[in-house]
Amino acid sequence: GAVVSQHPSRVICKSGTSVKIECRSLDFQATTMFWYRQFPKQSLMLMATSNEGSKATYEQGVEKDKFLINHASLTLSTLTVTSAHPEDSSFYICSAGRARGKDTEAFFGQGTRLTVV
Amino acid sequence: AQSVTQPDIHITVSEGASLELRCNYSYGATPYLFWYVQSPGQGLQLLLKYFSGDTLVQGIKGFEAEFKRSQSSFNLRKPSVHWSDAAEYFCAVGLSGTYKYIFGTGTRLKVLA
Repeated sequence: GAVVSQHPSRVICKSGTSVKIECRSLDFQATTMFWYRQFPKQSLMLMATSNEGSKATYEQGVEKDKFLINHASLTLSTLTVTSAHPEDSSFYICSAGRARGKDTEAFFGQGTRLTVV
Repeated sequence: AQSVTQPDIHITVSEGASLELRCNYSYGATPYLFWYVQSPGQGLQLLLKYFSGDTLVQGIKGFEAEFKRSQSSFNLRKPSVHWSDAAEYFCAVGLSGTYKYIFGTGTRLKVLA
């Protein structure tokens, strides 16, 4: 199967600092990756689409200067939360897309629990 | 606009009872449909998926789901629930030609011993 690895699984950072989260597709190449955010007891909301070799596409209401996305290779996308504040504390999940024939499917990482203190 | 509705926020069933979790979607094209389960503090685990073909889909852990185009539904079922099934369940629509998913609001399942 397709495996997507996300690191770290948990991170605690001080308010005002930046934190980077990595999303790797381990056994396939992904030209497109996605970043989702999940608040406690809520659903997953798409934040942005990460495109290899080009700029990310952000969903409405997501601050692109706060959530920096880099997709420098076909197996790695990173999300950097800049100048983090307590309201950025959340569960962040990435996914990577893989096509087989006409069927397209995304595979999800294990998620990263970010706590900003 | 695309959307996914899970009408039941919470469901409580007794262990051994049958289960049905409802999911309705709004999408103009033929959808790719998924059910995921999430335990507290954990990531998503895929239970089953529908791309095309047989509208009754079998998944892991004894779950199945039926795609009904006329009702725009993709309800999840299990004939006999186990205490370990207690978790949050998400229905999702995959947008054709992309890897972008729209998730429902989730249904939290509680299982009584």
